[in-house]
Amino acid sequence: DSGVTQTPKHLITATGQRVTLRCSPRSGDLSVYWYQQSLDQGLQFLIQYYNGEERAKGNILERFSAQQFPDLHSELNLSSLELGDSALYFCASSGRGMETQYFGPGTRLLVL
Amino acid sequence: DAKTTQPPSMDCAEGRAANLPCNHSTISGNEYVYWYRQIHSQGPQYIIHGLKNNETNEMASLIITEDRKSSTLILPHATLRDTAVYYCIVLAGNNRKLIWGLGTSLAVNP
Repeated sequence: DSGVTQTPKHLITATGQRVTLRCSPRSGDLSVYWYQQSLDQGLQFLIQYYNGEERAKGNILERFSAQQFPDLHSELNLSSLELGDSALYFCASSGRGMETQYFGPGTRLLVL
Repeated sequence: DAKTTQPPSMDCAEGRAANLPCNHSTISGNEYVYWYRQIHSQGPQYIIHGLKNNETNEMASLIITEDRKSSTLILPHATLRDTAVYYCIVLAGNNRKLIWGLGTSLAVNP
């Protein structure tokens, strides 16, 4: 158990819909990272937040957005969903000055 | 940004050492080498990391060549539970973005 929690574990929705994925980092960690992993693909970095502020951006679509709240939990919002957005979405967290990222169990999104 | 090259797959007999190679010839002087593994669709698990010196922890050993252009992850006594995809990653840029390749799929056989 990494200490990072993600909800929901599974999500099934339809094209065009909007969903929100939630992540709670390890206690004391200030950074939250979001990744997307499509079937049999490597992890694609989407975005990083540090203590509430956006720190780094990867290949995140304009239809996707994220935020980190004062209690340090984070949400990833996916809108106008397409079939190709079906994937595993992982959240990771790391501490102040520490680069090691600890991953949650992921949310499996299926867009029908 | 430094990138890594790993063999797509490897086999190892249970109880033997598994040696997983990684090339990172464009690594910069201040970039660390990280190893993670992912067991079938679970969240990636941190294994070990290093800068210049060899490192060892309860899970594995990391051997980094003197020129830092390649490294080897060693699982000293592989078990069936070590079957996973192993990712070698270097930190990229000031924002510390991890760039993930496709990793090495390690199969530990009885």
